[in-house]
Amino acid sequence: GEDVEQSLFLSVREGDSSVINCTYTDSSSTYLYWYKQEPGAGLQLLTYIFSNMDMKQDQRLTVLLNKKDKHLSLRIADTQTGDSAIYFCAEVPNSGYALNFGKGTSLLVTP
Amino acid sequence: NAGVTQTPKFQVLKTGQSMTLQCAQDMNHEYMSWYRQDPGMGLRLIHYSVGAGITDQGEVPNGYNVSRSTTEDFPLRLLSAAPSQTSVYFCASSLRGREAFFGQGTRLTVV
Repeated sequence: GEDVEQSLFLSVREGDSSVINCTYTDSSSTYLYWYKQEPGAGLQLLTYIFSNMDMKQDQRLTVLLNKKDKHLSLRIADTQTGDSAIYFCAEVPNSGYALNFGKGTSLLVTP
Repeated sequence: NAGVTQTPKFQVLKTGQSMTLQCAQDMNHEYMSWYRQDPGMGLRLIHYSVGAGITDQGEVPNGYNVSRSTTEDFPLRLLSAAPSQTSVYFCASSLRGREAFFGQGTRLTVV
């Protein structure tokens, strides 16, 4: 099947902003998700956006959605060392059940 | 609510052995799924179920069986373990089209 695409690595300095990008596949996806996975742990839902929204802000997190280009981004303001993790973008295709995940972006925050 | 509970957390098997990974959820979710996570491969769907008595194959089903006799439980069976099945396994549950909740994972090593 078609792939959800993400860059694999991102390194930022503590206090800078991080932007993680994702290209998804199904223009009819109703919800788009960002998950965070810390080392040795499961995936936790970080935030999500409805397909009829362009932007969603939640404290340090900003999600931008460009439906025309099927592009999703996650911005983390004032990135902290605790933000170091793998971030997964996910969509729910038109079939409505199985989430389709990107391969994940490893974010490394350096002091 | 406990959410999604997976057992065991760690397991070592010898080639050819069989075992069952347990998954239970207490959120009355209709949809449950099993993923495996390997370095650089992201999350790959093994099997999924859209309700009790209904299961279907995902992207990488070979070597695995599932059943869904109740809404709560969705065990994953390895019939004859192979080194290629060394991986981290995640169970997830959701309502249709909504975010998935993940268990903490089972780290399986086949020697």
